[in-house]
Amino acid sequence: GQQVMQIPQYQHVQEGEDFTTYCNSSTTLSNIQWYKQRPGGHPVFLIQLVKSGEVKKQKRLTFQFGEAKKNSSLHITATQTTDVGTYFCAGRRAGSYQLTFGKGTKLSVIP
Amino acid sequence: DVKVTQSSRYLVKRTGEKVFLECVQDMDHENMFWYRQDPGLGLRLIYFSYDVKMKEKGDIPEGYSVSREKKERFSLILESASTNQTSMYLCASSPPLEGGTYEQYFGPGTRLTVT
Repeated sequence: GQQVMQIPQYQHVQEGEDFTTYCNSSTTLSNIQWYKQRPGGHPVFLIQLVKSGEVKKQKRLTFQFGEAKKNSSLHITATQTTDVGTYFCAGRRAGSYQLTFGKGTKLSVIP
Repeated sequence: DVKVTQSSRYLVKRTGEKVFLECVQDMDHENMFWYRQDPGLGLRLIYFSYDVKMKEKGDIPEGYSVSREKKERFSLILESASTNQTSMYLCASSPPLEGGTYEQYFGPGTRLTVT
């Protein structure tokens, strides 16, 4: 079945440092989504990428979708304590209702 | 705002009991999902439904069943609870596949402990 690998599993950064999490799918994706889960909370949708090579920005967050539509990344510039949480990528194949989630990257920010 | 609610935040059941987890969404979404979340394993799909009375197995359906009698409600059933089903259970709903952004809206989760 489809697999989505996400690295690293954990990342500890000093406040103000940058952070990147990477996602790789075993199959070509129709689109990829990113979610954030705050400690004690539930996953919340951040963004969806659809096109090959697509880059989207949300303030300090930059999302990329690879040319082959099999990988993606989330980069946070100058992390803040409000960025703490677990970031999940989730890929969907064409025609499928199912999203396959990566295992997530847990981000800790040291003030 | 989309609201997805789950019947309980915390639940403690005994081994062998039949357990019902209820999920209700208020956005008239066609698609609903049940996941379990375990440390280090991320979110794993148990079952999903793309229409009333329709259901599809996800990646880990063993030991679970589901029911969707009304569009807004999706129930997860543990026929005979076992200790390895102790987990956080998350329900989600999403708009149609053809609608553009197919984002999933999650409920707050039910932390189930089976003793």
